[in-house]
Amino acid sequence: EAQVTQNPRYLITVTGKKLTVTCSQNMNHEYMSWYRQDPGLGLRQIYYSMNVEVTDKGDVPEGYKVSRKEKRNFPLILESPSPNQTSLYFCASSFFPLHFGNGTRLTVT
Amino acid sequence: AQSVTQLGSHVSVSEGALVLLRCNYSSSVPPYLFWYVQYPNQGLQLLLKYTTGATLVKGINGFEAEFKKSETSFHLTKPSAHMSDAAEYFCAVSGTGNQFYFGTGTSLTVIP
Repeated sequence: EAQVTQNPRYLITVTGKKLTVTCSQNMNHEYMSWYRQDPGLGLRQIYYSMNVEVTDKGDVPEGYKVSRKEKRNFPLILESPSPNQTSLYFCASSFFPLHFGNGTRLTVT
Repeated sequence: AQSVTQLGSHVSVSEGALVLLRCNYSSSVPPYLFWYVQYPNQGLQLLLKYTTGATLVKGINGFEAEFKKSETSFHLTKPSAHMSDAAEYFCAVSGTGNQFYFGTGTSLTVIP
């Protein structure tokens, strides 16, 4: 089954403790991207990747890192999470259309 | 730069009534336009998209949208609402294909 898989689905952590949210797609898509969804703000793009080893900032990249060492994987890294990064995160692959994962709900206390 | 405005964060309609969700965009280049739907605890699913060609676009579940360049609009409609249409709807625009810009979403409630 074609899909985008994010893990974990839910994550509660404390300020400053590094974490990684994994994203994997099995559709051989070159383009992948990360979004955060906040009430009243919709989805905002954090980072995107056109292909392996090619990444670029979206609208809200501060506090996040990404890497694209393989085509299928695009992890999101929070090296020092803060409470304002509490949000619902989505990974997506492909351009038209975007194929979304089921989301990761992150709480930073 | 691109941006998307969705008018009305909450819309309620009666079952069987017309659904109209509004979306206006700004784009410095010819836009690609999308409507996505999000059901509770799920990711977003594509409803329909406009890239080029016919300005009236039909999507899944009976939804359609019309691209009106002169009005910079891409409103979503469905002639007859069903209970299963209750969800959150997002309009999105991409100009270059690298970055996507989403509206703030419209939550649709269908009243029996």
